[in-house]
Order: sequence, then structure tokens, then C-alpha cells
Amino acid sequence: GDSVTQMEGPVTLSEEAFLTINCTYTATGYPSLFWYVQYPGEGLQLLLKATKADDKGSNKGFEATYRKETTSFHLEKGSVQVSDSAVYFCALLKAAGNKLTFGGGTRVLVKP
Amino acid sequence: DTEVTQTPKHLVMGMTNKKSLKCEQHMGHRAMYWYKQKAKKPPELMFVYSYEKLSINESVPSRFSPECPNSSLLNLHLHALQPEDSALYLCASSHGRDYEQYFGPGTRLTVT
Repeated sequence: GDSVTQMEGPVTLSEEAFLTINCTYTATGYPSLFWYVQYPGEGLQLLLKATKADDKGSNKGFEATYRKETTSFHLEKGSVQVSDSAVYFCALLKAAGNKLTFGGGTRVLVKP
Repeated sequence: DTEVTQTPKHLVMGMTNKKSLKCEQHMGHRAMYWYKQKAKKPPELMFVYSYEKLSINESVPSRFSPECPNSSLLNLHLHALQPEDSALYLCASSHGRDYEQYFGPGTRLTVT
């Protein structure tokens, strides 16, 4: 079956550090890929998406590139802020499917 | 506007109570979803409505009863819940099954 694997957290960083969260997936066909962010006590917010190979999604300084050859969708941000402290979920959606498959989530803590 | 609203924000109920969770979106989305999220876990899909018809039920116990009165509203009726049902309940919507899902802020449910 389909699956998404994320690096386990927590990831603790200092402000202005570079952030990378690794995400790899297993799926047949050509899924769409997403990063969602969940701030404490809130729901999930769509951070960025990519729908085909080599697409780059970007938003709020975050980027991720759909790499079909390595089945990866790693999330990066060049300079994190305290406000980026949250849990980040990588997810895939198969074509003609309703069901998002989530990774386990990675908690990120940014210290001043 | 990509807003999904949910009420109430918090709910405490006894095991013999009947209550309902409500979700609303005005984005013209035709697919709506209920998820359950336990602490430090990713969301788990419960139900999917497509064009106001139930299309997926992920083997959810009958004490959870979904309802889609119209294309903008989604309810989750709760009856005779167990303490292990305590969780964050998230609603989401999307244009259709191949599109990104937008989540609401969730209802934090505590069953006593």
C-alpha cells in the first residue's frame, strides 16, 4: 500500500538556521504531494503542494521539489523563525482518490 | 478564501450524551471529510462525502454518524462515546477527489 515516511523529531534549531525535513514516499502511479503545517492547538494548514515530477512547491519561504527518481519531497527553509515552531506533515494523494496518506509528522522547535 | 469553519471549538461530553459537531465551507467544494487526530499522531480519515453522498466510511463505529445536509455543511453526530474517542476532530473540504484538502481548526472533544 501507499506510505509516507518522515524523519522523526523533534528537530530543534536556532533562529535563522536552515531547516530540512526529509520525506520519502511509496506509491504506484503519480501521486500529488503536500506539506501541511499544524501550529499548537490548531488544525492543519496547507503549506505547499506539487502535482507532478520536478514541480517545486513554495510558500512563506518554504520549498519542496517533487523528485520521482528518489521518491522524495523534502521540505526546506533557508532561515527559520520562532514562529515556524510547529508540526509538519508530508502527505500524498493518489489520482482518482480521496484519501490523503500522511507521514508521522515532524515536530520543529525554533529557539530564539 | 480557503476557510473551513468548525463548531464548537471545544466539547466535553459524558458517555450517555448526544452531541453534534458542525463544519461549514463556502468555497464551492464538492467533497468534504471528517478526520480524527490523536495527540502526536497524523489525522486518520473517518468519512468522505462527495456531492453530498457518503462515499467512504473507514469502518468507523456506529456511535459516530455523519450527515451532509447540503453542499456547504457537514455534521458529525455523536452518541454513547467512549473515553478513547477523546481527540481532535478535523473537517476538511476539496474541489474534488484529486485536489488538495483544506482543513478547519478542529473540535477538541473530551469524553468523560
